[in-house]
Amino acid sequence: QVTLRESGPALVKPTQTLKLTCTFSGFSLSTSGMCVSWIRQPPGKALEWLALIDWDDDKYYSTSLKTRLTISKDTSKNQVVLTMTNMDPVDTATFYCARIRGCGGDSAFDYWGQGTLVIVSS
Amino acid sequence: SYVLTQPPSVSVAPGQTASISCGGNNVGDKSVHWYQQKSGQAPVLVVYDDSDRPSGIPERFSGSNSGNTANLTISRVEAGDEADYYCQVWDNSGDHRSVVFGGGTKLTVL
Repeated sequence: QVTLRESGPALVKPTQTLKLTCTFSGFSLSTSGMCVSWIRQPPGKALEWLALIDWDDDKYYSTSLKTRLTISKDTSKNQVVLTMTNMDPVDTATFYCARIRGCGGDSAFDYWGQGTLVIVSS
Repeated sequence: SYVLTQPPSVSVAPGQTASISCGGNNVGDKSVHWYQQKSGQAPVLVVYDDSDRPSGIPERFSGSNSGNTANLTISRVEAGDEADYYCQVWDNSGDHRSVVFGGGTKLTVL
């Protein structure tokens, strides 16, 4: 059974760095073709893709946010970490992590975490 | 960067058929995936690779993709289908890979 769960602070101050952790089970990120990605959704708005890391440790980022994002993985802990620097109130959103199986192709996100709401406010 | 365009809203009566479009330049050359997001919940994959359904998704959900438009069709719409629907593709321009979501369509069941 595949599960993903996001964790991190619910509230961050402007200019701070956000660190989120995705802890997953039911698959290994060392298996060829596996990927984990982060997606965010501001309240009442659309989904926005942020970053992705694959089984081979290749990393891909949203062009518009690339300078602020870092994604990494700890295969032994079954975790993927996303950091986002210089947080601003407009970054307030629910952050999701999701799995892709068959990441070498143009595959879909087949499993999602429940999401974690991050509010940016002083 | 690649853009996917969806209508903001679609309304349909119960038992009727709903069609949600997803427009993009030559989107027919890409694999389109569709997600259903009910209020307060995480997205759920309902159609992948243009027209395939994951296990557990009713046959009422179907997809097509050709030219500049992909479509998600929901037959015999039920009240429980009311949700936001998002299309998604990969944009593999040059050596850069990225994921693109459409702006979402709110399906209202009258």
